[in-house]
Amino acid sequence: DAKTTQPTSMDCAEGRAANLPCNHSTISGNEYVYWYRQIHSQGPQYIIHGLKNNETNEMASLIITEDRKSSTLILPHATLRDTAVYYCIVRATNNAGNMLTFGGGTRLMVKP
Amino acid sequence: GAVVSQHPSRVICKSGTSVKIECRSLDFQATTMFWYRQFPKKSLMLMATSNEGSKATYEQGVEKDKFLINHASLTLSTLTVTSAHPEDSSFYICSARAASGGADTQYFGPGTRLTVL
Repeated sequence: DAKTTQPTSMDCAEGRAANLPCNHSTISGNEYVYWYRQIHSQGPQYIIHGLKNNETNEMASLIITEDRKSSTLILPHATLRDTAVYYCIVRATNNAGNMLTFGGGTRLMVKP
Repeated sequence: GAVVSQHPSRVICKSGTSVKIECRSLDFQATTMFWYRQFPKKSLMLMATSNEGSKATYEQGVEKDKFLINHASLTLSTLTVTSAHPEDSSFYICSARAASGGADTQYFGPGTRLTVL
């Protein structure tokens, strides 16, 4: 599976949009982009995933560039409870192991 | 969304004893479950992939005789840490794979914090 690059940490003001970037320049055509987050001492929480088109759900929006080499997770109105480590993962649908490989992620700190 | 539970959430045991951790998919069937471990301030590391009715596939460096995995049903997988030692103290997290259209999604349990004295 393709490797991803994310900033180590980011700050965001409460109530503002949090935009978390992810580079995946070696992504293949059959690889999806997944986003998870992990709040301290909890298991990772699924946020959203996409292949080519932008996606939106009740938690966030996922913007994927046309060349699919990068993406941005958008939390439209960040709250203090959104403070967490956010992981961007790319994974092929034909990955026999179907495993997720976690990198370092981005530590998002939402401040009052 | 799909719900995965783990039990216990926290366990403290003496060195040399064995500890069993259960992982259940509550509202979906999971043919594949995964076990991860996470040390403080580190990312999740995959330990093994568990397929219902077959032997688990372990990642390199993970001792299969020490970390016994059983996946006897489509909703339950167990991880047993045998002869636990203080260096096995960690946060153990399971996930279950739910198929959805062209992609599948893994849903994670809340984790089990193991402390070996």
